[in-house]
Amino acid sequence: DAKTTQPPSMDCAEGRAANLPCNHSTISGNEYVYWYRQIHSQGPQYIIHGLKNNETNEMASLIITEDRKSSTLILPHATLRDTAVYYCIVRVRLKKLVFGKGTKLTVNP
Amino acid sequence: SQTIHQWPATLVQPVGSPLSLECTVEGTSNPNLYWYRQAAGRGLQLLFYSVGIGQISSEVPQNLSASRPQDRQFILSSKKLLLSDSGFYLCAWLLAGNYNEQFFGPGTRLTVL
Repeated sequence: DAKTTQPPSMDCAEGRAANLPCNHSTISGNEYVYWYRQIHSQGPQYIIHGLKNNETNEMASLIITEDRKSSTLILPHATLRDTAVYYCIVRVRLKKLVFGKGTKLTVNP
Repeated sequence: SQTIHQWPATLVQPVGSPLSLECTVEGTSNPNLYWYRQAAGRGLQLLFYSVGIGQISSEVPQNLSASRPQDRQFILSSKKLLLSDSGFYLCAWLLAGNYNEQFFGPGTRLTVL
């Protein structure tokens, strides 16, 4: 599985958009980009995934660059409950998830 | 709807004692099942996964073992706990054939003293 690089921490003001970057310059053509988050003392929660096209669901938007070497997870209107560690993972769909250290997002009032 | 249960929620055990953590899934059949561990201040480490009854794959050599006696039951065990076994243990499942979303249980926080 391709290695990902994420900033260790980020801050965001409540109500503003949170943009979490992820670099995956060695991603291969059949690897998807997945995002999970883990709120303190809970299990990780799936957010969104994509292959090439930008994706949006009720939780977030995923923007993948045309060369697929990086992506950004966007939480359009961050709330205090969005404070969590966010994991960007790239993998082939049939392979197991491998979690890195993620980005600790703190949403401030 | 699908639900995943883990128990106990917290556990304090002495070094050298045995361990048994149980995970059960409801509302689905033939799921892939996973055990992860998260040590304090560290990332999630995959310990075991299972694609069917009696089928266990180990990801890292360690003091723990796993078993899957029933389709929706996954058990993590140890004969003698070590201090380094302390951590947050998470069970997860996904539906074979739909590999996009993995669902995690509430976890068991184990402290070995």
